Amino acid sequence: GIQVEQSPPDLILQEGANSTLRCNFSDSVNNLQWFHQNPWGQLINLFYIPSGTKQNGRLSATTVATERYSLLYISSSQTTDSGVYFCAVTDYNQGGKLIFGQGTELSVKP
Amino acid sequence: ETGVTQSPTHLIKTRGQQVTLRCSSQSGHNTVSWYQQALGQGPQFIFQYYREEENGRGNFPPRFSGLQFPNYSSELNVNALELDDSALYLCASTLTGDSYNEQFFGPGTRLTVL
Repeated sequence: GIQVEQSPPDLILQEGANSTLRCNFSDSVNNLQWFHQNPWGQLINLFYIPSGTKQNGRLSATTVATERYSLLYISSSQTTDSGVYFCAVTDYNQGGKLIFGQGTELSVKP
Repeated sequence: ETGVTQSPTHLIKTRGQQVTLRCSSQSGHNTVSWYQQALGQGPQFIFQYYREEENGRGNFPPRFSGLQFPNYSSELNVNALELDDSALYLCASTLTGDSYNEQFFGPGTRLTVL
């Protein structure tokens, strides 16, 4: 099956710093999503980005499907950005299930 | 707000008991998926339902079962609970049949098995 790897596993930033989170996947995919999981467990949709680049405020994402990776950029980080960031790809061979990476735990210090 | 709701929020059960978790899909969505998230891990796919039929299953034993109703709401049932079933259970809804297949998650049910 498709493997998804995220790096780094943990990241500590000072408020105002920028960061880049990476997601590698082992096979070609038609769908990739980035999520932020808040401390209460809610998965918040950040980007649906099978290819190309999208931006939403201080966050942007780029997926290069041919090279099997995606990047999530966080600029001018805030303490509210803390939490776990997941990328997930869809495996249509198994009913369209999402395969998640292990996540990047981000901690932004004031 | 994703429009996906789950109940209950928290649940405590003892080993051997049975539990039913519920999920209401986002309006207009016809597919629901269930995931189990253990502490410190990414969510793991349990199964998916489309038009009231199971449409894919992950590596979970048969004591994990589900239902999808005509209004596209769903239940996850777990029999003979084990300690390792303690986890956050998430449901996600999407619209199958459209090339745009973004999945939206509910807030989860945190199950503790003692």
